Amino acid sequence: DQQVKQNSPSLSVQEGRISILNCDYTNSMFDYFLWYKKYPAEGPTFLISISSIKDKNEDGRFTVFLNKSAKHLSLHIVPSQPGDSAVYFCAAANYGGSQGNLIFGKGTKLSVKP
Amino acid sequence: DTGVSQNPRHKITKRGQNVTFRCDPISEHNRLYWYRQTLGQGPEFLTYFQNEAQLEKSRLLSDRFSAERPKGSFSTLEIQRTEQGDSAMYLCASSPRGDRATGELFFGEGSRLTVL
Repeated sequence: DQQVKQNSPSLSVQEGRISILNCDYTNSMFDYFLWYKKYPAEGPTFLISISSIKDKNEDGRFTVFLNKSAKHLSLHIVPSQPGDSAVYFCAAANYGGSQGNLIFGKGTKLSVKP
Repeated sequence: DTGVSQNPRHKITKRGQNVTFRCDPISEHNRLYWYRQTLGQGPEFLTYFQNEAQLEKSRLLSDRFSAERPKGSFSTLEIQRTEQGDSAMYLCASSPRGDRATGELFFGEGSRLTVL
């Protein structure tokens, strides 16, 4: 039973345009959500996060939106750059319940074409 | 601060052999996590430690797997009697306790296991 779902295995976007990566979750106890970026042969690196008490968090070109009623979050990258090409993982945690670990989705491979 | 360090980076072994991976977390991070990642999947939680105490274990962690963190610093993950299905990237991550501002885990580069 997958609690965090990324239904698009891949996404291709032109440089300079917006990239939108989506993530759905099923566990209403999740109170923290994160996006990680992973290049081949490297470990995941943290990108941006959002608490369940917020609906938007912005950091430079990256914005995460959270829709709790729909149990959906999205990552917007504007403008997209070729260096953004990587696999993006959505992750969720239940820190209020003292769950110590993150639950990850399967990832979306983003390709930004010059 | 050199980040989370994992060794070896790549291990090739024959089925039935035992393997051990080591993880050195970021200094002063008292939480340490092990994840497994297979092709086309996201990282899957295996276990985590707070200091030397192993607080949670996934059902993925069969009795052939054992993890230790004897002094609350580095950790080892041992797989006994390896099977081909154990082939995966084993990721270690650490975090400081109470870092709820980001809730971020800091990952190492992983140890890739290939079981022939």
